[in-house]
Amino acid sequence: EVQLLESGGGLVQPGGSLRLSCAASGFTFSSYVMSWVRQAPGKGLEWISATSGSGGTTFHADSVKGRFTISRDNSKNTLYLQMDSLRAEDTAVYHCAKGSGSLRPYYFDFWGQGTQVTVSS
Amino acid sequence: EIVLTQSPGTLSLSPGERASLSCRASQSVSSSYLAWYQQKPGQAPRLLIYGTSSRATGIPDRFSGSGSGTEFSLTISRLEPEDFAVYYCQHYGDSRTFGQGTQVEVK
Repeated sequence: EVQLLESGGGLVQPGGSLRLSCAASGFTFSSYVMSWVRQAPGKGLEWISATSGSGGTTFHADSVKGRFTISRDNSKNTLYLQMDSLRAEDTAVYHCAKGSGSLRPYYFDFWGQGTQVTVSS
Repeated sequence: EIVLTQSPGTLSLSPGERASLSCRASQSVSSSYLAWYQQKPGQAPRLLIYGTSSRATGIPDRFSGSGSGTEFSLTISRLEPEDFAVYYCQHYGDSRTFGQGTQVEVK
């Protein structure tokens, strides 16, 4: 059974940093693209970052480019999102999502429950 | 960038009724790369449909997807109590754009 468990969220001041983690199990982690998708309060889904199975290729949405960094440790079956220079508009639930394959195009076949990030002074 | 517009924003129906949800793309997209997800409050999204019409593992056959070009739809043939939720379409070609969602609520 595929399981994705996010952690690391919390309350942070504007300009601060957080690192999110997503522990994966139930599949061969290194064989799949992994992504982060966020959902602001009362809003829809926004894809923000993706990494290839090896971690050698990463993509970020323009809204977070230069501030957020996605990475993975395949020896630990764990996905990360380093979030720097946080803004109020980054407040959201952050979900990790498993890609359906190792290359584009891919849909998201499994999702984690998410971790809440609140940016406020 | 492709923009996906879902309609209606809210659909008020009773259990047993048929639900028809629309997803319109701002430009023609490959039907191979259109997915639908269901999300209930406080839960993770769940994949329902990929490739416009292929049901994900474990998804009941009352859910069906269709469409091409710029017009796509998700149909729930007979609503069950557990189907009341928010539904999102997604294009997963060169981008990973989501629609804004359609809420299916109990009338």
